[in-house]
Amino acid sequence: KAGVTQTPRYLIKTRGQQVTLSCSPISGHRSVSWYQQTPGQGLQFLFEYFSETQRNKGNFPGRFSGRQFSNSRSEMNVSTLELGDSALYLCASSLATGESGYTFGSGTRLTVV
Amino acid sequence: GESVGLHLPTLSVQEGDNSIINCAYSNSASDYFIWYKQESGKGPQFIIDIRSNMDKRQGQRVTVLLNKTVKHLSLQIAATQPGDSAVYFCAENDDYKLSFGAGTTVTVRA
Repeated sequence: KAGVTQTPRYLIKTRGQQVTLSCSPISGHRSVSWYQQTPGQGLQFLFEYFSETQRNKGNFPGRFSGRQFSNSRSEMNVSTLELGDSALYLCASSLATGESGYTFGSGTRLTVV
Repeated sequence: GESVGLHLPTLSVQEGDNSIINCAYSNSASDYFIWYKQESGKGPQFIIDIRSNMDKRQGQRVTVLLNKTVKHLSLQIAATQPGDSAVYFCAENDDYKLSFGAGTTVTVRA
C-alpha cells in the first residue's frame, strides 16, 4: 500500500516569502503530524491533526500553521520565511492515538535564501 | 522539562557483531516508546515499539529493552549488517506527539 506522500520534495524560497507543504497520509490513517528536523535542534514537533482538528501544537511561532482536510490530507504553511526555517519538514500519519506507530514520509527539504 | 535522549552520538560496529544503542528518558509517565531508523535523504523508519507494561520486545534481529526503574531504553541489533548503517532515534509518545532524542549514528565496518 502507498506510504505517506509529501510534496514537493525540495523547495528554495527567499526570506520574507511564504510556503505551503502538502502531506497525504496512508489510506485509513486519520492522524497527521508535522515535524521539523535540523542539524542543531534535531526533530521537533510542530502540530498534530485528527479529523480536521488540531489536538496538539509544539513551541513554534505563529508563522507556522497547518490544517487538515476531510480526506485527512494535511498542509502546513510558513509565512514570512526566515533563514532559520531552512530544514527538513516531515509528516507522519497514524491511525488515531499514535499507539500503533507513526509512519513518516520522506520529507520536504526547504531552503531559505 | 521532560526529554528523551540518547547516550552516545556515534557508534562504530564490526559487521556481524551485535549493536546496542541506549536511550534515557525523563518522563516517568510515558507509556509508549518507539525506535526509528533514518537513512540519508529519507524519513524516519519505524523499527520497533514497546509499551510501559512490557520489559522486552523482540522483532526481526532487533530487541528493545525497557527499564522503568532507571528510565532507560535500549535497542539491540543482532548480527549487524552494512544496511544497518543509519541514524537511530528513540521517541516517546505523549499527548499525540513524539519527543525524539538527539540520535545515534551507527557505522558498520566491513
